[in-house]
Amino acid sequence: GIQVEQSPPDLILQEGANSTLRCNFSDSVNNLQWFHQNPWGQLINLFYIPSGTKQNGRLSATTVATERYSLLYISSSQTTDSGVYFCAVELLTGGGNKLTFGTGTQLKVEL
Amino acid sequence: GAGVSQSPRYKVAKRGQDVALRCDPISGHVSLFWYQQALGQGPEFLTYFQNEAQLDKSGLPSDRFFAERPEGSVSTLKIQRTQQEDSAVYLCASSLLETATYEQYFGPGTRLTVT
Repeated sequence: GIQVEQSPPDLILQEGANSTLRCNFSDSVNNLQWFHQNPWGQLINLFYIPSGTKQNGRLSATTVATERYSLLYISSSQTTDSGVYFCAVELLTGGGNKLTFGTGTQLKVEL
Repeated sequence: GAGVSQSPRYKVAKRGQDVALRCDPISGHVSLFWYQQALGQGPEFLTYFQNEAQLDKSGLPSDRFFAERPEGSVSTLKIQRTQQEDSAVYLCASSLLETATYEQYFGPGTRLTVT
């Protein structure tokens, strides 16, 4: 099946710092989503981004589908950004609409 | 509008008991998914419905797991004769599908602990 790898696995930032999270995937995809899982376990949709670039406030994301990677940028980080960030992909063919999740990046933002 | 809701939020079962977990998708969403998330891991796919049809159940770990969506809206995931390895968070997601965008929206999950 498709492999989805995220880096770094863990990240500690001082409040106000910027960061880049990476998601590599091994096959062509029809759908790519970034999620933030907060400390209560809720998966919050950040971006639906099978290709191109999107921005939402302090967050932005870029997917280069032809090179099979996506990047999530967090600027001016805040303590509320802490949690686990997942990318998830749906195979272009034969995936059956299901999402395959990456390994996650655990982010901690400190004062 | 309302998001995906799940109940109960927490369930403790003794080994061997049957459990039923409920998912209410976003109104009008055609597709419904169940995922299992073990501690420290990403969610893993269990099964997928399009309306009332179960189109993919390849992720169900054993025949003790059964899911249904009889009227194409609410879904129930049933686990028979629970085992300790079934302890996990069970997540439900829904998507609109017919607009050809497949963005999935997740519920808060049901945390199942089997003792």
